[in-house]
Amino acid sequence: KNQVEQSPQSLIILEGKNCTLQCNYTVSPFSNLRWYKQDTGRGPVSLTIMTFSENTKSNGRYTATLDADTKQSSLHITASQLSDSASYICVVRRRGNTPLVFGKGTRLSVIA
Amino acid sequence: DVKVTQSSRYLVKRTGEKVFLECVQDMDHENMFWYRQDPGLGLRLIYFSYDVKMKEKGDIPEGYSVSREKKERFSLILESASTNQTSMYLCASRLDIGGGYTFGSGTRLTVV
Repeated sequence: KNQVEQSPQSLIILEGKNCTLQCNYTVSPFSNLRWYKQDTGRGPVSLTIMTFSENTKSNGRYTATLDADTKQSSLHITASQLSDSASYICVVRRRGNTPLVFGKGTRLSVIA
Repeated sequence: DVKVTQSSRYLVKRTGEKVFLECVQDMDHENMFWYRQDPGLGLRLIYFSYDVKMKEKGDIPEGYSVSREKKERFSLILESASTNQTSMYLCASRLDIGGGYTFGSGTRLTVV
């Protein structure tokens, strides 16, 4: 069954600290994996996209990793800011013209 | 940048009303999607359309219908709104099978 599991479900960290969010998937055949940031009351916005051959990709303070062998991805946030408070959703795309498979998201709260 | 516009940010409707949620994209994208997002369940696909006049059921189509008379507009219709359709509704579009998804800002629908 094609599934995407994210952990933790929620996370609270102090401003300035780092954190890592996890994503495990069983989607096959794999095409790519995206991390989205969704602010409260807004639609998801893409942070990174990773294909099978990519191990690491950065977007500012966000760094995503992908291990296609173990079917795991992580999103590392460095020097967190209050504006990082949001839900982070891992989304995996299968090859072919098929719908996306969404994780349920990790709710991150950054507090002062 | 592609813009996906959902006509209403917030809607409150009564049980039994017919509800139209409108979504417009401005970049000539072929594919459009409607999702609902509920706490603990993540995003679930309701309907999608790969071309004008074409529609396909997603994972949870019951109680919904869609209309795509023009390429840029994809409407979600609740024929007779019920309280269990209270949710955040997200529209997305992509250029074609190889394209990335762009999400609208969402419509928070409350059915009372």
